[in-house]
Amino acid sequence: TQLLEQSPQFLSIQEGENLTVYCNSSSVFSSLQWYRQEPGEGPVLLVTVVTGGEVKKLKRLTFQFGDARKDSSLHITAAQTGDTGLYLCAGDVSSNTGKLIFGQGTTLQVKP
Amino acid sequence: DADVTQTPRNRITKTGKRIMLECSQTKGHDRMYWYRQDPGLGLRLIYYSFDVKDINKGEISDGYSVSRQAQAKFSLSLESAIPNQTALYFCATSAHDRGGTDTQYFGPGTRLTVL
Repeated sequence: TQLLEQSPQFLSIQEGENLTVYCNSSSVFSSLQWYRQEPGEGPVLLVTVVTGGEVKKLKRLTFQFGDARKDSSLHITAAQTGDTGLYLCAGDVSSNTGKLIFGQGTTLQVKP
Repeated sequence: DADVTQTPRNRITKTGKRIMLECSQTKGHDRMYWYRQDPGLGLRLIYYSFDVKDINKGEISDGYSVSRQAQAKFSLSLESAIPNQTALYFCATSAHDRGGTDTQYFGPGTRLTVL
């Protein structure tokens, strides 16, 4: 069974702090996606990383795909209360099967 | 209007009852998925369909069945609901992208409680 382990599972920080969420696996993924989910809604795609070592930036969010394509991280700089939500990583096991393996999720609470 | 809709949004039922959750999409996507979400477990794939005639089991299909009535409609049934099927259920769609990884678009979810 392929697994994606996310850590931490819960994070509570003050506005303005930085944080990093990790997504690790023993499996190689052809690509990895990060989604954000707010209460009462479905997950929404933030980014897809495809190449080992790839770094993508989305405003204050920086996403990195490990060189071996087994792990990824999401770093948020100067967190804002609007960043509060559930962050999910999801790996595509073989190229474009459409089947994703999801991590358990990281619940982020940013306090004012 | 939402691109991916799910009905009902909330449902409480009793053990042994048959339940159907419905999903409709206006995105014109060929691929549709059903997931369940449980606290601390992320999203787990129940069934997926790449077109109307193609239905596949996901990692946790036992106790569930699906029907792809049309390209835009994909329903999930629990033939005899049991309490451990209490969860948040999501439908998702994607378009086949030959060049890369599909982006999945999720509905708002159905919260199902089985008593």
